[in-house]
Amino acid sequence: SQKIEQNSEALNIQEGKTATLTCNYTNYSPAYLQWYRQDPGRGPVFLLLIRENEKEKRKERLKVTFDTTLKQSLFHITASQPADSATYLCALTGYSSASKIIFGSGTRLSIRP
Amino acid sequence: EAGVAQSPRYKIIEKRQSVAFWCNPISGHATLYWYQQILGQGPKLLIQFQNNGVVDDSQLPKDRFSAERLKGVDSTLKIQPAKLEDSAVYLCASSLSPRGDTQYFGPGTRLTVL
Repeated sequence: SQKIEQNSEALNIQEGKTATLTCNYTNYSPAYLQWYRQDPGRGPVFLLLIRENEKEKRKERLKVTFDTTLKQSLFHITASQPADSATYLCALTGYSSASKIIFGSGTRLSIRP
Repeated sequence: EAGVAQSPRYKIIEKRQSVAFWCNPISGHATLYWYQQILGQGPKLLIQFQNNGVVDDSQLPKDRFSAERLKGVDSTLKIQPAKLEDSAVYLCASSLSPRGDTQYFGPGTRLTVL
């Protein structure tokens, strides 16, 4: 069955360092991969979208890579700040109009001052 | 631009009761989604509408859940009768188009079934 795995353990990073989050998937051929941020008690907020023919995407301090051979996406936050503390979700969308959107369970990131 | 609106924000009911949630998407967004998010898990798609037609409802427990999107704008999600395992946050999202497009989420409705 289709499966997405994100870092199951919470990630604790010192302020100023680079945080790297992982999204691995199996039995899926995504056309797009998206990263969302979710704060407690709120809905997810879109951050970045990367297509299967793109290797890397950047937005300010954020960088996403997408390796369809490894079936993996990495999400980097450089110069991390305490305000970056949140849960980060990856989501896959397939090619077929019948493919449903699948979200990972998320990784909780904490940036300590 | 106003975001996705949902109500109520919180609801507590007893099992076997019924409950309804309301969602108003961003103006002009043709695609509307309902998700169920259980604590510690990612959102799970329940149903996706394109205008007022259903695109995907394969993960909607149709014996107890129903949803409609009249006139292709607002939507309601209903649970009847509720079970303990329905306790979750119900998220509504909308997007301009159905595939690969940014989804904008509402704040969600936290449902507790006792």
